[in-house]
Amino acid sequence: DQQVKQNSPSLSVQEGRISILNCDYTNSMFDYFLWYKKYPAEGPTFLISISSIKDKNEDGRFTVFLNKSAKHLSLHIVPSQPGDSAVYFCAARDDNYGQNFVFGPGTRLSVLP
Amino acid sequence: GAGVSQSPSNKVTEKGKDVELRCDPISGHTALYWYRQSLGQGLEFLIYFQGNSAPDKSGLPSDRFSAERTGGSVSTLTIQRTQQEDSAVYLCASSSKKGSFAGANVLTFGAGSRLTVL
Repeated sequence: DQQVKQNSPSLSVQEGRISILNCDYTNSMFDYFLWYKKYPAEGPTFLISISSIKDKNEDGRFTVFLNKSAKHLSLHIVPSQPGDSAVYFCAARDDNYGQNFVFGPGTRLSVLP
Repeated sequence: GAGVSQSPSNKVTEKGKDVELRCDPISGHTALYWYRQSLGQGLEFLIYFQGNSAPDKSGLPSDRFSAERTGGSVSTLTIQRTQQEDSAVYLCASSSKKGSFAGANVLTFGAGSRLTVL
């Protein structure tokens, strides 16, 4: 039972345009959401997070939106740059579970120059 | 150390052999996680250590997998009698003590140990 879903395995965007990566979840007990970026041969690195009490968090070119009623969050990157090309993982925390971080399968973003 | 260190970075082994993967978390981080990423797949949770509590082993795929964390710091993931399906990148992550502040909710990952079972 996949609690965190990223239904688009890949996404291609032109440089300068907006990239929108989507994530859906099923567990209503998740209280904190994070996005990680992963380059080949490296570990995932933290990008941005949002608490369930908020609906938006912005950090530079990156904005995360949370729609609790729809159990949906999205990451917006604008403007997209070639260096943003990576795999993006959505993750969620449920403090009721010991391991408390559940990751989605990832979306590979390619930003074309 | 400044980051999460994992060794070896690459390991090639023959089917049936045992392997040990090591993780050295960020100093002071009480929580330590092991994940693995098989080719074309997402991050699969394996095991989680939090302080002195009993580890959450719910993600270990079989009894060939085990992990320990000595002295609340370094962790070793052991895979016995390796199989080809064990081939993956094994990622270790650590985080600070659980709490309400944002930093407690962020995992810092190591670069991973790539295991290839021939």
